[in-house]
Amino acid sequence: DAGVTQSPTHLIKTRGQQVTLRCSPKSGHDTVSWYQQALGQGPQFIFQYYEEEERQRGNFPDRFSGHQFPNYSSELNVNALLLGDSALYLCASSLTPRPRETQYFGPGTRLLVL
Amino acid sequence: RKEVEQDPGPFNVPEGATVAFNCTYSNSASQSFFWYRQDCRKEPKLLMSVYSSGNEDGRFTAQLNRASQYISLLIRDSKLSDSATYLCVVNVNDYKLSFGAGTTVTVRA
Repeated sequence: DAGVTQSPTHLIKTRGQQVTLRCSPKSGHDTVSWYQQALGQGPQFIFQYYEEEERQRGNFPDRFSGHQFPNYSSELNVNALLLGDSALYLCASSLTPRPRETQYFGPGTRLLVL
Repeated sequence: RKEVEQDPGPFNVPEGATVAFNCTYSNSASQSFFWYRQDCRKEPKLLMSVYSSGNEDGRFTAQLNRASQYISLLIRDSKLSDSATYLCVVNVNDYKLSFGAGTTVTVRA
């Protein structure tokens, strides 16, 4: 049973560029949440996708956008990258969008913006 | 006030010791509470959910105090493998979970 997978594992970009990160949820899960984790901080909620719609959004600017596909996989797009966007980006999947459901995290994508 | 606050530690304890730490949350309407464990440069993994009556899983005990809006985690008979960052997680609405910054525990031989 495959767990949550993310690609790429590492990425280096320069300021102003755009990046797309990908996530495949755990088998049987239909809900995907994205988090940003800066060094020394806990994960910060970016948004959640369910039924191909953004259901909830955290305190992130519109430069952060996403998409969920019919097979439940998801993408996170960040435009006009800033140095402060350097972080570990985590994807988590769950059986339903309800917070009582356990979220299973992927290994993350480490983004460095120079 | 932050949605979830934790003592960052670090808690440096010898093997076999008991260590306990708390987490406070700001939303009195929160209903779902969890402790996640995160090893260095790895993804968070669920350690345990926290129930109203408190719950135990082996050497780990979690308690919820709704009146004071805090959650605690106690680790008995600490092992070297317990060294990690422990993340307190609370729902802030029907869909969103909020994570604390984590409490670092180091168990020494």
